[in-house]
Amino acid sequence: DSGVTQTPKHLITATGQRVTLRCSPRSGDLSVYWYQQSLDQGLQFLIQYYNGEERAKGNILERFSAQQFPDLHSELNLSSLELGDSALYFCASSGTGETQYFGPGTRLLVL
Amino acid sequence: GENVEQHPSTLSVQEGDSAVIKCTYSDSASNYFPWYKQELGKRPQLIIDIRSNVGEKKDQRIAVTLNKTAKHFSLHITETQPEDSAVYFCAAISHNAGKSTFGDGTTLTVKP
Repeated sequence: DSGVTQTPKHLITATGQRVTLRCSPRSGDLSVYWYQQSLDQGLQFLIQYYNGEERAKGNILERFSAQQFPDLHSELNLSSLELGDSALYFCASSGTGETQYFGPGTRLLVL
Repeated sequence: GENVEQHPSTLSVQEGDSAVIKCTYSDSASNYFPWYKQELGKRPQLIIDIRSNVGEKKDQRIAVTLNKTAKHFSLHITETQPEDSAVYFCAAISHNAGKSTFGDGTTLTVKP
């Protein structure tokens, strides 16, 4: 157990809908990262937050947005969902070092 | 932006043999290079990492080497065991820029 938690574990929804994925980092970690992993694919970096501020952006679609709250948990919002958005979404956190610790992921299925 | 190429995409070895996975990166600002192991349906787990001021690091059967000049780094697993079977990802991270780029992964199969 990495200490990073993600909810929900599974999510099934329809095209056009909007969902919110939640991540709680390890105690004391200020950085949160979001990744998308499609079937048999690598990890695509989406976005990083540090202590409530956006720090780096990767290949995140405009339909996706994220934020980090004062208690350091983070939410990833996915809107106007398409079939191709079906994937595993991982959150990771890091502290003062560079090591990222991954949560268990949220498996999203868009029908 | 950063690009990380990982080879091979699949690797099959006999139990007890060694396995080597190689990655190259493009951004000279990358200064941290972790390797993750991911079993089916599970989270990626850090197995070893190396920073840009070090050329080699070893942890029991696992070692990583880094050639900053050539911008490549490699994972070496010796005396492989069936439980080493998994997908392995390399990553190049620029801690100052906050950017993380992962390779496409290598599926390692260790045959008993």
